[in-house]
Amino acid sequence: GAGVSQSPSNKVTEKGKDVELRCDPISGHTALYWYRQSLGQGLEFLIYFQGNSAPDKSGLPSDRFSAERTGGSVSTLTIQRTQQEDSAVYLCASSYPSAGQPQHFGDGTRLSIL
Amino acid sequence: AQTVTQSQPEMSVQEAETVTLSCTYDTSESDYYLFWYKQPPSRQMILVIRQEAYKQQNATENRFSVNFQKAAKSFSLKISDSQLGDAAMYFCAYRSASGSARQLTFGSGTQLTVLP
Repeated sequence: GAGVSQSPSNKVTEKGKDVELRCDPISGHTALYWYRQSLGQGLEFLIYFQGNSAPDKSGLPSDRFSAERTGGSVSTLTIQRTQQEDSAVYLCASSYPSAGQPQHFGDGTRLSIL
Repeated sequence: AQTVTQSQPEMSVQEAETVTLSCTYDTSESDYYLFWYKQPPSRQMILVIRQEAYKQQNATENRFSVNFQKAAKSFSLKISDSQLGDAAMYFCAYRSASGSARQLTFGSGTQLTVLP
């Protein structure tokens, strides 16, 4: 597709379950980012991948959160033992590596923890 | 660490009128980029306009323009001839031009309502 694709669009799960969120970036974009947007708030950076370099995990809020990017393309964000405070919209973005290049966002996954 | 502040949680404008959204930021860096993104109810973040800090000229994209005041660390967005489709949440964002940090730092957003 032409844009960043995220799945699922919505996810409802019970507290304590593990969830996986998927992001398929724009073809040719070597940089990939995950952000979290809590209700009515701005976006909070989670993790950044650039090519084959080690990811910048400085934004991950706890060790329950992890992410990987296979083959430099698709990325999966995993949240283990979900808590109610994990409820948010999770947005993925991709870009070319230069700092001046804009990030292109997907439509996000709305995660609801019951 | 950089911070971005949007002091107007909500703004409204009459259709066809002009509105200005405020943004200030704090940084010790001299080289960086600033962005305005729009987020309609569909959730997708859409780039509105971009400004390079080393350029003194204010960026313009059709009805959207910025007033970039580097010394004051201010980056406001002006929307001219407002249209109903401009109604959305608007986020100001900062991005370092140097070092390894490439993520965007966002403000808390301004909800813009366009009145018919």
